[in-house]
Amino acid sequence: AQTVTQSQPEMSVQEAETVTLSCTYDTSENNYYLFWYKQPPSRQMILVIRQEAYKQQNATENRFSVNFQKAAKSFSLKISDSQLGDTAMYFCAFMKPGGGADGLTFGKGTHLIIQP
Amino acid sequence: GAGVSQTPSNKVTEKGKYVELRCDPISGHTALYWYRQSLGQGPEFLIYFQGTGAADDSGLPNDRFFAVRPEGSVSTLKIQRTERGDSAVYLCASARLGGYEQYFGPGTRLTVT
Repeated sequence: AQTVTQSQPEMSVQEAETVTLSCTYDTSENNYYLFWYKQPPSRQMILVIRQEAYKQQNATENRFSVNFQKAAKSFSLKISDSQLGDTAMYFCAFMKPGGGADGLTFGKGTHLIIQP
Repeated sequence: GAGVSQTPSNKVTEKGKYVELRCDPISGHTALYWYRQSLGQGPEFLIYFQGTGAADDSGLPNDRFFAVRPEGSVSTLKIQRTERGDSAVYLCASARLGGYEQYFGPGTRLTVT
């Protein structure tokens, strides 16, 4: 079974600063997918960024980028030029390849607060 | 196009009652997932459908929980003899055949009193 650990229950930064959210995972799989989801108070889970384990290049999406360290089983999310709208719960998630059985395995989340 | 929708948005029921939660996936998505999110936790996988069949129901906590997807589109999560510990947000997600990106609905908040 896979496990995902997010060790920061809450983080707070000033608007426009850069913030990094940590995530580690445990798996015996060699191929898999990793995701960061954002969940605002509306409850809707929104995909922020994804990474395929077979790709060495770190994924980036505008202000969001990841630092994927496969050997260390680490998958951190960096948010640059943070904005008030980034305030939300952020969940790191893992998925095995091959059709979706087991679904996503999520961490407990990090509550990110962007201060004006 | 329309995203994943879930009804009702909120449901309050008494302990021991039966409830049904509905999920309408994105049109054309063959994969459908149900998750349960307890307060302060990440979502936990319950069940996965590929088409009409439950391909993996290993996450269902006990036999009070059951889900169907009779026509391969809309799914209903059914909970019998509800308990206070069933109180949570129930999330539904759908994905394309062979796709690994899941699109989530807004969830149903179930409160068992």
